[in-house]
Amino acid sequence: AQTVTQSQPEMSVQEAETVTLSCTYDTSESDYYLFWYKQPPSRQMILVIRQEAYKQQNATENRFSVNFQKAAKSFSLKISDSQLGDAAMYFCAYRRSSGGTSYGKLTFGQGTILTVHP
Amino acid sequence: DVKVTQSSRYLVKRTGEKVFLECVQDMDHENMFWYRQDPGLGLRLIYFSYDVKMKEKGDIPEGYSVSREKKERFSLILESASTNQTSMYLCASTNGGRSGNTIYFGEGSWLTVV
Repeated sequence: AQTVTQSQPEMSVQEAETVTLSCTYDTSESDYYLFWYKQPPSRQMILVIRQEAYKQQNATENRFSVNFQKAAKSFSLKISDSQLGDAAMYFCAYRRSSGGTSYGKLTFGQGTILTVHP
Repeated sequence: DVKVTQSSRYLVKRTGEKVFLECVQDMDHENMFWYRQDPGLGLRLIYFSYDVKMKEKGDIPEGYSVSREKKERFSLILESASTNQTSMYLCASTNGGRSGNTIYFGEGSWLTVV
């Protein structure tokens, strides 16, 4: 079974600074997707960024970028120029690419609470 | 705008009661999911459905059942609620096909069992 681990329960950053959230995962699959989701106090889950395992290039979405290290099974999220609106719980998630009817499942990490200080 | 709607945002139920949590999506998605979210544990999959009347157990199905009679609706059922089922429950849906497809989440249902 796949597992996802976020070892940082809480992180904090000053506004306009950069912060990196860590995520490691364990899988025997070679093709899969990795995601970072943001959950603000409203509890609505928002997709931040996704990475396809077969792509070596790290995904980027505006101020959000990832460092995907497939061999190390590491998938960290870097937030540049942090804003107050970035404060939220962040979840790392894994999804296998194929394999019968269960391929759609997302496996989540424990979450990291990010605080942004003005 | 895509929508996953969980009809009950906050519920308080008594131990032993039967509880229904309803989820409706308007995107004609094949796959629907129920997760529970607990501090320090993240989101854990309870059940999912890949078609009408089709379901599979997730990682923590004990004490829960589900129903999917129509494509747009996926219900989570607690046959006899217990205090350890106090949690936030999130419903999600996505298209079939490539698993890179975006998964859409509802806003969550807070359940307290007393």
